[in-house]
Amino acid sequence: QITLKESGPTLVKPTQTLTLTCTFSGFSLSTSGVGVGWIRQPPGKALEWLALIYWNDDKRYSPSLKSRLTITKDTSKNQVVLTMTNMDPVDTATYYCAHFQRYYDFWSGYYYNWFDPWGQGTLVTVSS
Amino acid sequence: EIVLTQSPGTLSLSPGERATLSCRASQSVSSSYLAWYQQKPGQAPRLLIYGASSRATGIPDRFSGSGSGTDFTLTISRLEPEDFAVYYCQQYGSSPPLFTFGPGTKVDIK
Repeated sequence: QITLKESGPTLVKPTQTLTLTCTFSGFSLSTSGVGVGWIRQPPGKALEWLALIYWNDDKRYSPSLKSRLTITKDTSKNQVVLTMTNMDPVDTATYYCAHFQRYYDFWSGYYYNWFDPWGQGTLVTVSS
Repeated sequence: EIVLTQSPGTLSLSPGERATLSCRASQSVSSSYLAWYQQKPGQAPRLLIYGASSRATGIPDRFSGSGSGTDFTLTISRLEPEDFAVYYCQQYGSSPPLFTFGPGTKVDIK
């Protein structure tokens, strides 16, 4: 059974750096096709993808936030860390980490991917 | 950047009714990279459909997905009380941003 859990501060001040940790179990981040992504959701709003780290340490970021984000993994600890610099009140949101799976179907010849499951999320409020 | 538009914004239906949710992309999306998620209040999203039409593990067969190109549909054949939630479509593309979500469709009780 795959589980993920986010941890980090619930309150940060404007201009500070946010560091969130995703601790997971039930899979290895060294397995081909596997990744961990971060997605956030401002209160009452839609989901926004932030970053993804693949099993091979390849990293992808949302272009609109790329300059502020860093994603790293510690395979031995089963953890993925996301840092976001220069926090602003508009960054107030629930931050989720999620298991990412890339799958190749030999019958169809297509790749598929999805985020499943997700962690419970952690609400981060940015306020002075 | 591919933009996903979902309609309607809110769908008010009664248990037992059929729900049809639409997801439209601003440009063609590979069907294999189109997913649907369900989110209930205070909970994390849950994967329902991947590859536009494949149900995720444990998802009841009253949920089905279809579509291709720019138009995709999530259908709930007979609404159960636990199905009233917000539904998001999501696509993966080779150009940034890699992943985009639609704004969501809320299915609430009429």
